[in-house]
Amino acid sequence: ETGVTQTPRHLVMGMTNKKSLKCEQHLGHNAMYWYKQSAKKPLELMFVYSLEERVENNSVPSRFSPECPNSSHLFLHLHTLQPEDSALYLCASSQVPGGSGANVLTFGAGSRLTVL
Amino acid sequence: GQNIDQPTEMTATEGAIVQINCTYQTSGFNGLFWYQQHAGEAPTFLSYNVLDGLEEKGRFSSFLSRSKGYSYLLLKELQMKDSASYLCAVLDSNYQLIWGAGTKLIIKP
Repeated sequence: ETGVTQTPRHLVMGMTNKKSLKCEQHLGHNAMYWYKQSAKKPLELMFVYSLEERVENNSVPSRFSPECPNSSHLFLHLHTLQPEDSALYLCASSQVPGGSGANVLTFGAGSRLTVL
Repeated sequence: GQNIDQPTEMTATEGAIVQINCTYQTSGFNGLFWYQQHAGEAPTFLSYNVLDGLEEKGRFSSFLSRSKGYSYLLLKELQMKDSASYLCAVLDSNYQLIWGAGTKLIIKP
């Protein structure tokens, strides 16, 4: 399997649930990202991992908790979310974070999250 | 603050040409990207411009003017499959990607 794969594609959860989103890349990239995409808004960068170390956290609420066990896998653990957290969560990978045109992102198809 | 502006929605006819504009105000500039995103699918890379001028890639071309903080994506010989959202993003001086909200392109027969 190639590219970036995200599971589940759709998730409905209550505000008291705990769930996780999974992302897997088979491109040999060494950086992985979580983005939030809401309708008619720019992509919001949530977390960046480079060589399995978190290098950026854009002031994301603690109810979102990332985990990067190795360079091919990325998780987003969700706990006590709010209805306004309903959105499409996109995972992406790249060769290197930052730096010229080498920073082309390859995205997964996203996990559509609905919080009731 | 940093800002990327692009039209929310555009409509064009199959076989025609459409130009999607993107203007930006960012802290520095290290390149501009265009991505295409079909509904329910992953955004996919279309083009990268770091120098002024026009880059042509088949039916798609991307133009950049750094002095004007302006880019456009030109789509020729439009096909129904070109119906998608087109995302403009700028790499700032800290190599952070600043994204526009995207332009939804609707192609009519």
